[in-house]
This record gives sequence, structure tokens and C-alpha cells, in this order.
Amino acid sequence: NAGVTQTPKFRVLKTGQSMTLLCAQDMNHEYMYWYRQDPGMGLRLIHYSVGEGTTAKGEVPDGYNVSRLKKQNFLLGLESAAPSQTSVYFCASSSDADRGQGYTFGSGTRLTVV
Amino acid sequence: GQSLEQPSEVTAVEGAIVQINCTYQTSGFYGLSWYQQHDGGAPTFLSYNGLDGLEETGRFSSFLSRSDSYGYLLLQELQMKDSASYFCAVVNQAGTALIFGKGTTLSVSS
Repeated sequence: NAGVTQTPKFRVLKTGQSMTLLCAQDMNHEYMYWYRQDPGMGLRLIHYSVGEGTTAKGEVPDGYNVSRLKKQNFLLGLESAAPSQTSVYFCASSSDADRGQGYTFGSGTRLTVV
Repeated sequence: GQSLEQPSEVTAVEGAIVQINCTYQTSGFYGLSWYQQHDGGAPTFLSYNGLDGLEETGRFSSFLSRSDSYGYLLLQELQMKDSASYFCAVVNQAGTALIFGKGTTLSVSS
């Protein structure tokens, strides 16, 4: 029972490079989310999806794009990485969006942009 | 929009009881959730309050007062393994995603 799997777990990018973070869930959850976590800032919502083929902006969407082509996968893209995007990125999924219960998080991707 | 306020740090000793408060501002309230995160790990769901009152799950309890826009997480019989960050969260105005507070770091000492 894998739950939510994020790849890669660690990555170092140079400024201006691009990359895609992959999130996969095997729980048949409808809703998926991308958060970033910085020291003292908690978890901030980047983008989310309420179902296959849908995406929506969260609190801090600038500099990121997302796609949800398949229900089980949610991709987060950085087109031109900046040092300000150095962070830990968490993906989460849930079957219930309007109660905040039972979000399942992945183990995170630690990204450093130099 | 939404905003949540919780203390940044709390310290306690093993066996003690600690309360982590959370006040929130939101339009379209769907309930208050609590998540735990150990250092370097993934956040995990602890509890949810949709209605006023106390919810108990083992050593952990969570309380909600919708009229005061206030809730708390109560941890009893503290153990060293309870040292972690605790986040309160509310659902966004659209009812589609959780918005988290900045977190409270709990340090339990022997």
C-alpha cells in the first residue's frame, strides 16, 4: 500500500533550469495538491486539482505549472528555477475536499536551486 | 481569504499536558483540522472538528468553538515521541483545499 509517492526525493538545480516533480497516488483519490514548506512559513498551497484534467491556483502559484492528465498522477513543473524556489515540496491527496480530513502526504522532495 | 494564528513554539516535560491554540479567520467555514509532522517527515492527519465541542482520540483531543473562531489541540501524558510540529488548518473559501497555519513546534524533554 504505497499511498502517495513523490519523485525525486532530492534535487539540486541551477538557476534557470527546468524540472518536473511527479506525484503518484494509488488510493483512487479525486483531489490532489502541491504544497511548499519553508522554515517558519508552514505549508503553503501552490496548485491543486479537484479531478482528472482540472487544475487550480493556490496561495503561491507564480513560477509553477501543473498538470493532471491521469487521475493518479499530479505533476508540478518549474520552467525556469529561481533560488526563491528552494524548498521542500509536498504532494497530498484526499477523497474529501471540503472537510480537511485525511489528507495523505508524500514524503517530500527537497529542492535546492543554486 | 483565510488566516490562522498559532504559537510558534511550546515546550513541556514528559507526562505533562500541553494545549496548542489556533485562531482562524475564514469565510465559509468547513471545520478545523490538525496535522502532525515529525522533523523531516510527511505531515499526518490527527483530528478534525466540524462542530463545536471536544473530539478525543487516545491521548490527543481537539476542541472547536465556531463562535470564537478558536480551537485547540490537547496532548496528554506527553511522550518524547510527541516532539514534532503541529499544524491547524481550515478549508479554503472555495471548499477545495486546506490552508495551513505556520505550525507550532512542540519540544518534550525528560
